[in-house]
Amino acid sequence: NAGVTQTPKFQVLKTGQSMTLQCAQDMNHNSMYWYRQDPGMGLRLIYYSASEGTTDKGEVPNGYNVSRLNKREFSLRLESAAPSQTSVYFCASRGGTGELFFGEGSRLTVL
Amino acid sequence: QKEVEQNSGPLSVPEGAIASLNCTYSDRGSQSFFWYRQYSGKSPELIMSIYSNGDKEDGRFTAQLNKASQYVSLLIRDSQPSDSATYLCAVNWGGTSYGKLTFGQGTILTVHP
Repeated sequence: NAGVTQTPKFQVLKTGQSMTLQCAQDMNHNSMYWYRQDPGMGLRLIYYSASEGTTDKGEVPNGYNVSRLNKREFSLRLESAAPSQTSVYFCASRGGTGELFFGEGSRLTVL
Repeated sequence: QKEVEQNSGPLSVPEGAIASLNCTYSDRGSQSFFWYRQYSGKSPELIMSIYSNGDKEDGRFTAQLNKASQYVSLLIRDSQPSDSATYLCAVNWGGTSYGKLTFGQGTILTVHP
């Protein structure tokens, strides 16, 4: 049972390049989330999807887009990467108890 | 005002002592509260969830919730070096168990032998 799987785990981009972070969960959860984590900032919510077919902005949505492709998959896209988007990105899905289950994280560096 | 605030830390306690971690939140309608632990380079993992006012105990961990004061805390008794980690408070907005879930900035805890 894989849980929450994120790809890629590491990525280096140049300013202005685009990329998509992929996330898939196999726990049949309705809700999925994307967070970024920077030193001293905790986890900041970028976007979330409470259920298939819905997405909502979190605390720091600027510069990002998301797609809830189906119940399993929730992708995060950077259309034109900026150095300020250098961070560790976590995808999570949420069970009926409210607990978040996290992926292993994706470390992104924008030069 | 940040939605979820934690005491800034870092917090250093001797082995065997009680570590106290605090969190305040801004949304009076919040009903679900969580404490996560994150080791360096790893993903956060759930320690405790609490939904009702009062105390909830699980082993060496006790979560305390006071909705009137918009305050939630985590006590770690008999602290061990293996408890050294970053502790993250998370609050679910509104009255549901899904939807927007925001975290505080985290408190780094170091337990020294």
